Amino acid sequence: NAGVTQTPKFQVLKTGQSMTLQCAQDMNHNSMYWYRQDPGMGLRLIYYSASEGTTDKGEVPNGYNVSRLNKREFSLRLESAAPSQTSVYFCASSEGRHSPLHFGNGTRLTVT
Amino acid sequence: AQKITQTQPGMFVQEKEAVTLDCTYDTSDQSYGLFWYKQPSSGEMIFLIYQGSYDEQNATEGRYSLNFQKARKSANLVISASQLGDSAMYFCAMREISGNSGYSTLTFGKGTMLLVSP
Repeated sequence: NAGVTQTPKFQVLKTGQSMTLQCAQDMNHNSMYWYRQDPGMGLRLIYYSASEGTTDKGEVPNGYNVSRLNKREFSLRLESAAPSQTSVYFCASSEGRHSPLHFGNGTRLTVT
Repeated sequence: AQKITQTQPGMFVQEKEAVTLDCTYDTSDQSYGLFWYKQPSSGEMIFLIYQGSYDEQNATEGRYSLNFQKARKSANLVISASQLGDSAMYFCAMREISGNSGYSTLTFGKGTMLLVSP
């Protein structure tokens, strides 16, 4: 009963490096989301995928790309990391319009 | 303009007392949903309670209830009989449906830190 699984849990990057955050859900949900959480800012939506094959920008998409690989997996890529991308990243999924989001445990990313 | 406003950065309550966490929202949609999440110090996001805009009764889940006042656009979370384990950050969030596509996203407030003292 894993729910939403994110890897890695922690990551330190140097400015300019790239990396991909992985997310997988086993609840057969159509919609998946990437959020970032910064102190005093709440959670802000980076990208979302309403269904397999579609992706859309959220509130703060600059500097990120996403791939909905299949129904289970939704990855977030930082092509050239910047210190401003230091944050905690959450992946989430949901079943439908009125359903809550189920969150992964987060990835703590530090860019030096 | 903020879509979700949580005006209380921090709240203190004594164990066994009730506490209300405020949330106001801004939307022009007729169909929307309101959610509350708890984030303990361990960092995970825990879903607590949901209220749909067309629900006539206030939602309740155990010790959690949602005081939904549609005309005032408020959706306050009430925690009854507070416990030490309720100490956490609490987020209010709103889900809006985008047009006819049915796609929707969740917008979060900045959160309220609740501390429960013995």
